Parts: sequence; structure tokens; C-alpha cells
Amino acid sequence: EPHVVESGGGLVKPGGSLRLSCAASGFTFTTYTMNWVRQAPGKGLEWVASITTSSRYIHYAESVKGRFTISRDNAKASVYLQMNNLRAEDTALYYCVRDEGAALGMDVWGQGTTVTVS
Amino acid sequence: DIQMTQSPSSLSASVGDRVTITCRASQGISNYLAWYQQRPGQAPRLLIYAATTLQSGVPSRFSGSESGTDFTLTISSLQPEDVATYYCQKLNSVPFTFGPGTKVDLK
Repeated sequence: EPHVVESGGGLVKPGGSLRLSCAASGFTFTTYTMNWVRQAPGKGLEWVASITTSSRYIHYAESVKGRFTISRDNAKASVYLQMNNLRAEDTALYYCVRDEGAALGMDVWGQGTTVTVS
Repeated sequence: DIQMTQSPSSLSASVGDRVTITCRASQGISNYLAWYQQRPGQAPRLLIYAATTLQSGVPSRFSGSESGTDFTLTISSLQPEDVATYYCQKLNSVPFTFGPGTKVDLK
């Protein structure tokens, strides 16, 4: 069964950095685009970043552009989110999400890792 | 960027009621629209993709429809386990914006 597990969250001061990791299993990682989606406490879902299979196409939400970097290591079936210059408004539960494509939706979600900027 | 709106923002219904949630895109997105269910304390779950196609394993009481830039999620007979927040998401191009969500609870 496909599965993703996030790690790396924690408490960080404003202006600090954090690197999130996501380990995938149970599916052929190299054939899927991967995303990060976040959810601030008590708020809705916000798409953060996307990376295609070979890392050729990478996209970011305007709110994180220039501060966050998404990357992947296909040999390790992992995707990462390097977060720099963190702000209080980046406080959220960060989900790693498998992307089946525009026609099929985002079908595998982890349980998330919490980032608190304070 | 294309904006996604949802209505209502919340609703209360009884077990067995028919529930309808609407999502509207500010511009055309073809049928690149997904619906997600997020139960309290859980990660989101894909319910419907391509506006009308039920994800494997999702009960048949859930259905989706589309009319231009308006999309609808219907629960034909609300069950206690359907208490959740429901989100739509555009998938035609980045940014993959979510709607603000509709919270469904039991009357």
C-alpha cells in the first residue's frame, strides 16, 4: 500500500531554517510528482510546492517563493522541503502528498509534521 | 490566479439528509477539480477527481457534478462518519489552490 511519512518539524525562531523530509514506500516513487501542502492551526489547506518526477519542473506558492526549496532524491524515494527565513505565518502542519496528475488528484497523504515559528 | 470559493462555509444536517456543497472557480478549469474530506484530527482524503469520478473505496453516497465553473459535491444520505470539512481543489495549473472548506456536522 502506498505510504508517505513526514519528519523534521519542530520549533524554530523567526528568521530560522528547517528541513522537512518525506519518505515514500509502497509505490514506484520515480513515476510520481510530489507536493507539500500545509494547514495552519484551525485553518484550511494551502498548497506549498510541487516537484515533478525528474525535478525538471518545480513550482511554489507565492507565499513561500524565494524562501522554500523543494527537492527529491529518487534513489532514496524521498522528497524534501528546505525552509529558510521562516515567519510566524509559516506555522502549520505540513503534509507530503503524492500527485496522480491534473486529471486524477492528490491521492496519498501523510499524517504531517508540525512546524512552529515562534 | 484563479480563485476558488465554496458555499456554504458550514452546515448542520441530520443523519439521512441529502447534503450539497458548491465550489466555484473564478475562471474555467475544465474538469480539473478534486474534492477532499478531512475528518477531525485526520489528514485529508481524496474523494472525487476529474469533477465527477469517485476515488476507489469511497462510498457511493458521494457524488460530484459540474456545470461550467460551478462544481457540486453531494452526499445522498449523510452518515455520522461524514462529519468533516470538505475542500475542493483546482488542478489544471499551478497554483493548485484549495477552496476555503465547508464544515459539515450533525444536527
